[in-house]
Amino acid sequence: GAGVSQSPSNKVTEKGKDVELRCDPISGHTALYWYRQSLGQGLEFLIYFQGNSAPDKSGLPSDRFSAERTGGSVSTLTIQRTQQEDSAVYLCASSSRLENSPLHFGNGTRLTVT
Amino acid sequence: QQQVKQSPQSLIVQKGGISIINCAYENTAFDYFPWYQQFPGKGPALLIAIRPDVSEKKEGRFTISFNKSAKQFSLHIMDSQPGDSATYFCAARGFSGGYNKLIFGAGTRLAVHP
Repeated sequence: GAGVSQSPSNKVTEKGKDVELRCDPISGHTALYWYRQSLGQGLEFLIYFQGNSAPDKSGLPSDRFSAERTGGSVSTLTIQRTQQEDSAVYLCASSSRLENSPLHFGNGTRLTVT
Repeated sequence: QQQVKQSPQSLIVQKGGISIINCAYENTAFDYFPWYQQFPGKGPALLIAIRPDVSEKKEGRFTISFNKSAKQFSLHIMDSQPGDSATYFCAARGFSGGYNKLIFGAGTRLAVHP
């Protein structure tokens, strides 16, 4: 079956513009995560969705960042008024409800803010 | 403070040698410790994982050693091969609210020279 799909794979935008990043999780996976990977840095947790529960937004770095998950499947991460420090690879992952279920990552969207 | 510290930042090993990557954590509530492997342009993928009730887990050439009292764990790659060249992330799960929220280390870039 298909893995986690992210689009676009690359995005170049001008400072101040808004961007939307899309994630299609593995079918049947109820948990969906967004992480950010900056050059030479680890994986920074951004937000988590689990079924119909309220999302954990504790990792969002500012109110310019938001995410939604429609119908318990596709998720969109939106960054408003992009800044150069937003440049990074944004990774989406999904997992099942089973304890210790591994996170399955997509290949990420590389965002460059000029 | 939920934090995972990983070292070294980069590692060069000769083919056939042993690669060792170390991680330390602070939160004693962490209950699951996976290692992820990431190749360039790809998302991380689960390599091996351990629960804190065991001191060692081995899968093929990959071994996790876990020291609960020291709050440290390490990945050993025996007979390292050029194909093992990748970035490795340790992680710890904070089972907050009943879900797999992973806190990742900063990553180790491993290069295995032939």
